[in-house]
Amino acid sequence: AQKITQTQPGMFVQEKEAVTLDCTYDTSDPSYGLFWYKQPSSGEMIFLIYQGSYDQQNATEGRYSLNFQKARKSANLVISASQLGDSAMYFCAMREGGGGTSYGKLTFGQGTILTVHP
Amino acid sequence: EAGVTQFPSHSVIEKGQTVTLRCDPISGHDNLYWYRRVMGKEIKFLLHFVKESKQDESGMPNNRFLAERTGGTYSTLKVQPAELEDSGVYFCASSHPGTSGYNEQFFGPGTRLTVL
Repeated sequence: AQKITQTQPGMFVQEKEAVTLDCTYDTSDPSYGLFWYKQPSSGEMIFLIYQGSYDQQNATEGRYSLNFQKARKSANLVISASQLGDSAMYFCAMREGGGGTSYGKLTFGQGTILTVHP
Repeated sequence: EAGVTQFPSHSVIEKGQTVTLRCDPISGHDNLYWYRRVMGKEIKFLLHFVKESKQDESGMPNNRFLAERTGGTYSTLKVQPAELEDSGVYFCASSHPGTSGYNEQFFGPGTRLTVL
């Protein structure tokens, strides 16, 4: 069964506008962590933001914020004030068990290609 | 601080040949992971080392794949013999307890393997 679902194969946004990339997940483990990674055309995967299942507040890192809705099992990434350099593939991933103290494997979604227009 | 490095960046081989991919994790990182992305599909976990020991190899597709991490430093992933369906991008990642509390994995640039 698919554990991480990203339903948007591609998204377009105008420079300086905000964009939301969707991610839903499925797990029976009460302790888990959710990650977003960015993969530019150069290929490397860059960690953006983390949300733990027990975190009370939505995570924020600069222009990135995570809209975490636990009951709906969604962890959408919001990028504010989009820049041309934000054009990339974005992956949502989940690590089950242990939350922030775990070192287990990541399960990835299919990814969303974001294109920022000038 | 140097990031995760992988060698080679690209490899093109014929079906039946052997290929060895190398990953150098960030210095001091005990956890090392291999992942693979086959064309059009999601990134899939292959295995996880803690130092030189295999912690989880549940994602290894079959016995044509052999991963090693001698001395708990760099790791190699050998595919022998390679099949067409092995084509894809192989990512290595490493992690270690840090100040972030997230234990995020730091990824290398990947090795693009093409089997003809």
